Amino acid sequence: SQQGEEDPQALSIQEGENATMNCSYKTSINNLQWYRQNSGRGLVHLILIRSNEREKHSGRLRVTLDTSKKSSSLLITASRAADTASYFCATATNDYKLSFGAGTTVTVRA
Amino acid sequence: ETGVTQSPTHLIKTRGQQVTLRCSSQSGHNTVSWYQQALGQGPQFIFQYYREEENGRGNFPPRFSGLQFPNYSSELNVNALELDDSALYLCASSSLDRDHTGELFFGEGSRLTVL
Repeated sequence: SQQGEEDPQALSIQEGENATMNCSYKTSINNLQWYRQNSGRGLVHLILIRSNEREKHSGRLRVTLDTSKKSSSLLITASRAADTASYFCATATNDYKLSFGAGTTVTVRA
Repeated sequence: ETGVTQSPTHLIKTRGQQVTLRCSSQSGHNTVSWYQQALGQGPQFIFQYYREEENGRGNFPPRFSGLQFPNYSSELNVNALELDDSALYLCASSSLDRDHTGELFFGEGSRLTVL
């Protein structure tokens, strides 16, 4: 079973637009992480936000975390064709594993 | 480039066979985690090894087993392969911090097809 669920499942946007995807989870967490995956290859870590943080930025990425609603959002600003990928949220509790959602597939059209 | 390498990249096996997948972790990392990713799904945690000991296991049967070596490289072994074992197997290395919940560095995966 998967802890996180991303929404939407798929997203198609024009180059230059912003892309927003959401993640909901079920149990208390230590931190939440976002990863990117290109065409069934390895996952690349994008950003980590701890449970006591509400917002974090990294380049064109902005992540928010609302622990009262058990949800997070990832915003990619000024999207580029190279941002075409699947994006996964992963939650970490106080044990040893990350629990991933099923992902959001983002297509950026030129 | 994460510095995590996996081999082989692709392989095809038949039902009932056994497979060994290998992973070299990033320099300085003492922890290796293995994940199974079926087509269209997110990665599912198989198990984690920390300093050569299993440090947690997901909901996978005992025919999934692993090893970690003194240089922190790792193997995933799957016995009695089933069709549903067809997936991308991902290895991720990390260093356990005091929270045991740090960032993972993934390899490119081994794609297993079971016929």
